[in-house]
Amino acid sequence: EPEVTQTPSHQVTQMGQEVILRCVPISNHLYFYWYRQILGQKVEFLVSFYNNEISEKSEIFDDQFSVERPDGSNFTLKIRSTKLEDSAMYFCASRRSRRLQNIQYFGAGTRLSVL
Amino acid sequence: GESVGLHLPTLSVQEGDNSIINCAYSNSASDYFIWYKQESGKGPQFIIDIRSNMDKRQGQRVTVLLNKTVKHLSLQIAATQPGDSAVYFCAENLAMNRDDKIIFGKGTRLHILP
Repeated sequence: EPEVTQTPSHQVTQMGQEVILRCVPISNHLYFYWYRQILGQKVEFLVSFYNNEISEKSEIFDDQFSVERPDGSNFTLKIRSTKLEDSAMYFCASRRSRRLQNIQYFGAGTRLSVL
Repeated sequence: GESVGLHLPTLSVQEGDNSIINCAYSNSASDYFIWYKQESGKGPQFIIDIRSNMDKRQGQRVTVLLNKTVKHLSLQIAATQPGDSAVYFCAENLAMNRDDKIIFGKGTRLHILP
């Protein structure tokens, strides 16, 4: 069964450093998402991406965050200058179309630890 | 406003029994709901969904009920198994609107007791 792949599974970084989280969405999917989950809390939407541009972003997704689809397969989330409060699980998701009941498939996540 | 919440944070059920996980939502304009299962160390996994023009939908061992009058959603899992132990999230997808993000509730942890 096709799946969303995320790397690395765990990323440790120092506060103020830049990190790039990588995702390979399902190959025929057109819509891509990033979510985050702070330990013990609910999953929160960060950003949606379609046709090489951001469709929507949440309040969390400030100027320190950016997304990119550098080639036909990868979808990345960059945090320019990490803060302690950026520590969380980051989930990538993809969806084939925007038709109702078109399921978003999630990757296993990247655990980001900011020290 | 956008709000999807859960009644109980944890639920313990004897293996083989049925379980019911409840969820309340506040946006009366919501038109699509999803249940996700999250096992430890994994991402959310789709279980079942339901549109607002339905009040019941059945899958394999799972049933979702929607009561629009009281804005309540439930997930019933029949004949629970050890592999059902996980956190279950109800979620709202505003796919009929411009945005299509998923709004997750807080989650209910389901423990299956041997």
